[in-house]
Amino acid sequence: DTAVSQTPKYLVTQMGNDKSIKCEQNLGHDTMYWYKQDSKKFLKIMFSYNNKELIINETVPNRFSPKSPDKAHLNLHINSLELGDSAVYFCASSQDGTAYEQYFGPGTRLTVT
Amino acid sequence: RKEVEQDPGPFNVPEGATVAFNCTYSNSASQSFFWYRQDCRKEPKLLMSVYSSGNEDGRFTAQLNRASQYISLLIRDSKLSDSATYLCVVGYGQNFVFGPGTRLSVLP
Repeated sequence: DTAVSQTPKYLVTQMGNDKSIKCEQNLGHDTMYWYKQDSKKFLKIMFSYNNKELIINETVPNRFSPKSPDKAHLNLHINSLELGDSAVYFCASSQDGTAYEQYFGPGTRLTVT
Repeated sequence: RKEVEQDPGPFNVPEGATVAFNCTYSNSASQSFFWYRQDCRKEPKLLMSVYSSGNEDGRFTAQLNRASQYISLLIRDSKLSDSATYLCVVGYGQNFVFGPGTRLSVLP
């Protein structure tokens, strides 16, 4: 039974399109995150939600908009996709903020052509 | 200075070797510390949390020195399956910061 799941696993799309990535966790955790891992393999936090409320919004373009319909789900919508958005996007969750370890989803490999 | 820095790697070691990874962090308000491993094209997975008193899990030992803002990971008796990228992670406030990772290849 997958703890943190993401869909889709692969996403290939053209510049200018709008796409969404979905994330669900069944661990009962309060905090969820989106990370971007670029071609240099560096993992950087994008957003953090605690109990459906936005806690962290790192410096990302406002074309990226997270949405948390409930504390088990955190979706990421990306408008007007650009070549530089190509990366692997990971969703993660933790019990309650940074005192506890995170569990990651399998990642969504986004390729913008 | 980057918030979390790690040995640049890669480390290529023979099976059975002992290998040590180092990590330093810049934010003295950091509260939580972890080592993760990431296999190629996979998600990061928790290896171990790091506590002030140090902790051990089988062949893995982690140490934390808050005064020096330094974290270490020691792997004894390396196995082929230990080949991965090892990520140092530091938590403060509501934020986690990942180091760039150190790649380990254990050779037969």
